[in-house]
Amino acid sequence: AAGVIQSPRHLIKEKRETATLKCYPIPRHDTVYWYQQGPGQDPQFLISFYEKMQSDKGSIPDRFSAQQFSDYHSELNMSSLELGDSALYFCASSMGQGREETQYFGPGTRLLVL
Amino acid sequence: LAKTTQPISMDSYEGQEVNITCSHNNIATNDYITWYQQFPSQGPRFIIQGYKTKVTNEVASLFIPADRKSSTLSLPRVSLSDTAVYYCLVRTGGFKTIFGAGTRLFVKA
Repeated sequence: AAGVIQSPRHLIKEKRETATLKCYPIPRHDTVYWYQQGPGQDPQFLISFYEKMQSDKGSIPDRFSAQQFSDYHSELNMSSLELGDSALYFCASSMGQGREETQYFGPGTRLLVL
Repeated sequence: LAKTTQPISMDSYEGQEVNITCSHNNIATNDYITWYQQFPSQGPRFIIQGYKTKVTNEVASLFIPADRKSSTLSLPRVSLSDTAVYYCLVRTGGFKTIFGAGTRLFVKA
């Protein structure tokens, strides 16, 4: 079965640079979620999109922005990168917005900021 | 948002049944309980989801008492490959999903 695709899988950036992470949801899934997981930490919800509109917001820094496109893929844009942004970034997708809808996670993008 | 509480870590041996209990005292009427498994540097993997009573699939069972203030994930006959972090999540409507501190399960030979 098709899964969530994230690219790139690994990314190395310098401080103050920008980065763009991409997420391709499972076919027919219309909801995308972004999470950040620092070393040894639990995943932290950043932001979500339903039907191409932002649906909820968590602890996402103002330096970060995201959007969902007409084909339902999503991009997380990160500017003025800081050392503390080094983490695993996961994207998840689900079908619809019901509480019973299961989120399926991608393999993640490992971002290292030097 | 409902807060979940799980044991920080558990140890087990191969072939044993493991039960991980999660407390969610503030669960709302329409909330579902979902469990995920996460290996290092991988995305969380869906294990099982339930609303009440008992749910069973090919990998686990989920027991939810009538008051729904807790739930227990049961892993039958664990193997070394079940060593992972297990998260209990309660979806509270909307889209924001809060991961609590998961349970680090270590399975020994």
